[in-house]
Amino acid sequence: GQQLNQSPQSMFIQEGEDVSMNCTSSSIFNTWLWYKQDPGEGPVLLIALYKAGELTSNGRLTAQFGITRKDSFLNISASIPSDVGIYFCAGPPEDTGNQFYFGTGTSLTVIP
Amino acid sequence: DVKVTQSSRYLVKRTGEKVFLECVQDMDHENMFWYRQDPGLGLRLIYFSYDVKMKEKGDIPEGYSVSREKKERFSLILESASTNQTSMYLCATQFSGAAETQYFGPGTRLLVL
Repeated sequence: GQQLNQSPQSMFIQEGEDVSMNCTSSSIFNTWLWYKQDPGEGPVLLIALYKAGELTSNGRLTAQFGITRKDSFLNISASIPSDVGIYFCAGPPEDTGNQFYFGTGTSLTVIP
Repeated sequence: DVKVTQSSRYLVKRTGEKVFLECVQDMDHENMFWYRQDPGLGLRLIYFSYDVKMKEKGDIPEGYSVSREKKERFSLILESASTNQTSMYLCATQFSGAAETQYFGPGTRLLVL
């Protein structure tokens, strides 16, 4: 499927720093999902968002469904070494039936 | 919790071999998907199925086929493996409905020599 524009592509940060990443599309989304993929593993769901403007937290993670419905943001506060991995945004655009689009991923490295 | 299992974590096959990758889920989900993941290309949809014995082509179906004889099981078949099919293969399941979350298996890393 079409790839969502996700940025940044990669991040190298010090342990304890906060992290921000985002996902944008030219299409309108009704659902935004954020996944994390550890090396050699399948993606695991972190947060699901279902409404424009929605702000949802899961521990140190906070995600927002953009008001335009064309973007979403993920923040990680006080990063720790186990946050290392690739973070993907995903969702079904309004006009594509059931097909999911996936972001190209943000690779996060946390330096202890 | 949704559990999605894939038959192998790592596979090494030779060019021309027939390869079966199996995915099993225990949540009675209607929808099942096969993706491949390659560096720089992200996840690409190979095939999907919304019901038993039903299948639909995704974006890159060439060189692959699928089988869904039972609701909980979705198999990906490489009729004659080629080196360009070396990749990470991910199975996902979804309750009926486009807005529902997709849940992924652990992946199968396939190397074709």
